[in-house]
Amino acid sequence: GAVVSQHPSWVICKSGTSVKIECRSLDFQATTMFWYRQFPKQSLMLMATSNEGSKATYEQGVEKDKFLINHASLTLSTLTVTSAHPEDSSFYICSASGAVREKLFFGSGTQLSVL
Amino acid sequence: DAKTTQPPSMDCAEGRAANLPCNHSTISGNEYVYWYRQIHSQGPQYIIHGLKNNETNEMASLIITEDRKSSTLILPHATLRDTAVYYCIVRVGRSSTNAGKSTFGDGTTLTVKP
Repeated sequence: GAVVSQHPSWVICKSGTSVKIECRSLDFQATTMFWYRQFPKQSLMLMATSNEGSKATYEQGVEKDKFLINHASLTLSTLTVTSAHPEDSSFYICSASGAVREKLFFGSGTQLSVL
Repeated sequence: DAKTTQPPSMDCAEGRAANLPCNHSTISGNEYVYWYRQIHSQGPQYIIHGLKNNETNEMASLIITEDRKSSTLILPHATLRDTAVYYCIVRVGRSSTNAGKSTFGDGTTLTVKP
C-alpha cells in the first residue's frame, strides 16, 4: 500500500531555534497534504491543509507565521516551526491524499521537544 | 465534517471479536466512514472505509446501518497487538476539494487482554 514517510522521528532543540519536518509520499502523487499536532493523551488536531503549488490553509487559531508550510512538489511537504518554544513541544503528524485515492495515509509522526 | 461519537474505552479478550461502535447521525450523503487506529507514539494507521455497503478486508469488517447514522468496526479475532486508540471519522471523498480533510474525535481506547 501507499506509504507516507515523515522525517525526523524525533527532534530536540533549544528555545528560539527553527525546526523543519518533512513529509513525503513515496509511491503516489499527493495533491493535498495535511498537518496535525497531538498533545499527550489527546486526539489529533488539524493545523493546516496544503495543496501543491498554492498557499496552505490554516485552521483557526494556528499561526501561519509560526508554522510555515511548503508544498512545492507532489511528493513533498514541509512544516517549519519557527522560533520554537517549549509550548510548541508536541507530536506532529502529516497525512497525504492523492487525486485518485479515497484513502488518507499518515506519516509516522515527529516528536518535537523544545528545551 | 460530521461529528462522530465513540465510547471512550473498551476491553476485549484475546481471540474474541472486538466490536467498536460509532455514531455519526449528521453524516451527509457524500461523506464516507473511515476507521483508523493509533498505537502509542505512532501515526494513525488506515483500517477500512465505506460509503453505504458493508466492507471487509484483511484487517477488519465495517458494518454501516441502512440510515448511515452509525457504524461498527469489527476485529474478528483480536490480538494483543490490536490494543490501540481507534478513530471513526466521516469525511467527503475524492470528488471534493477538501477530500482527505479529517476531523478526529477522541476515539475509543481498545485494550485487548490475555
